[in-house]
Amino acid sequence: NAGVTQTPKFRVLKTGQSMTLLCAQDMNHEYMYWYRQDPGMGLRLIHYSVGEGTTAKGEVPDGYNVSRLKKQNFLLGLESAAPSQTSVYFCASRPWTGKNSPLHFGNGTRLTVT
Amino acid sequence: ILNVEQSPQSLHVQEGDSTNFTCSFPSSNFYALHWYRWETAKSPEALFVMTLNGDEKKKGRISATLNTKEGYSYLYIKGSQPEDSATYLCAFENYGGSQGNLIFGKGTKLSVKP
Repeated sequence: NAGVTQTPKFRVLKTGQSMTLLCAQDMNHEYMYWYRQDPGMGLRLIHYSVGEGTTAKGEVPDGYNVSRLKKQNFLLGLESAAPSQTSVYFCASRPWTGKNSPLHFGNGTRLTVT
Repeated sequence: ILNVEQSPQSLHVQEGDSTNFTCSFPSSNFYALHWYRWETAKSPEALFVMTLNGDEKKKGRISATLNTKEGYSYLYIKGSQPEDSATYLCAFENYGGSQGNLIFGKGTKLSVKP
């Protein structure tokens, strides 16, 4: 039982390049989230999904796209990377909302855009 | 815009000291309040998910209380140890917002000196 796995762990991109971050969970969780974490800021929600085939925008969605074709996977795409997207990205999942349902986080992806 | 405030931003204590910090959140449409512990170079790990006004939760030397009417939660650490050094995050979950979306505070960074 690996929990939430993010790949890659590190990546350096040049401005304008594209990439996809993969999040995989093996806990059969319905809800999945992508957050970014920047110095001096709290975790900010980029996009989330409440089930297979669904996605929705969070607080800071611009410049990102997501897909949830399979329940266990949540992909975050950057179509044309910008230096402002330099950040640490965390994926998280949970079985349902509210009581007794904390987020389970992946180990993060550190992305640098030059 | 929903805001979650944590205080203090950082705290330095000696081993054996007891300490506490605060999370303030909107008192309307409350659903749940989460506490996470985030060690450097790791991912956040859940401590508590609290849903009822007056709730108290305990995990070893760490405990938390919740006041949903006035919109605050306290996290207490009794007899701090160096291994308690971490950033402690709280997150507010409300009815009517994005489904299952958590609004995170910026965290309280705790350093415990041996």
